[in-house]
Amino acid sequence: DTGVSQNPRHKITKRGQNVTFRCDPISEHNRLYWYRQTLGQGPEFLTYFQNEAQLEKSRLLSDRFSAERPKGSFSTLEIQRTEQGDSAMYLCASSFSGTGYNEQFFGPGTRLTVL
Amino acid sequence: AQTVTQSQPEMSVQEAETVTLSCTYDTSENNYYLFWYKQPPSRQMILVIRQEAYKQQNATENRFSVNFQKAAKSFSLKISDSQLGDTAMYFCAFMKAPQGGSEKLVFGKGTKLTVNP
Repeated sequence: DTGVSQNPRHKITKRGQNVTFRCDPISEHNRLYWYRQTLGQGPEFLTYFQNEAQLEKSRLLSDRFSAERPKGSFSTLEIQRTEQGDSAMYLCASSFSGTGYNEQFFGPGTRLTVL
Repeated sequence: AQTVTQSQPEMSVQEAETVTLSCTYDTSENNYYLFWYKQPPSRQMILVIRQEAYKQQNATENRFSVNFQKAAKSFSLKISDSQLGDTAMYFCAFMKAPQGGSEKLVFGKGTKLTVNP
């Protein structure tokens, strides 16, 4: 296993278009997180899955955003009717839920540019 | 809500020297973890070092060590014998102790560290 992967790595779209990103976590990891990182800022939590269940969503996740993890493996993040303010790096992280601390491993991110 | 503050947007250090990155945080939690993550240019974020709040002993990982001051809510990172490969964004992060729910990370804005030859 080579770690968390994200596709595409870069996406340029026009305002108003829909975009979808994919995250493939480390295979045995049952937890999956999405974060958003804008220029000059640290990553901000968007949402979290345990297996296929979406258990927490940030208020940053507007109605235009939807995330799924249909079989508890890969996850998709869709943004509808993109706005220029959606331009950011979207990071995915995965972890295994055991007792105590569980390290999150990050993917390389998908950089979204909305023109 | 927890907040993490990194007051040094950019820092530079000469190769082989020592540099300290600052971080303060605010929380009402008693049990939590603090982290330093490294994000090299165009590469993914990796964990550098972790500190459990209940441990008084400061964490160390090879050339990386922390100065954890719980009462002052301060968590600085010291990098000794700086190497060119240490050039990266460094993020301080907070996580509440796992209680069966989300283990989301709260990050600071980051410090851009440049190691000069």
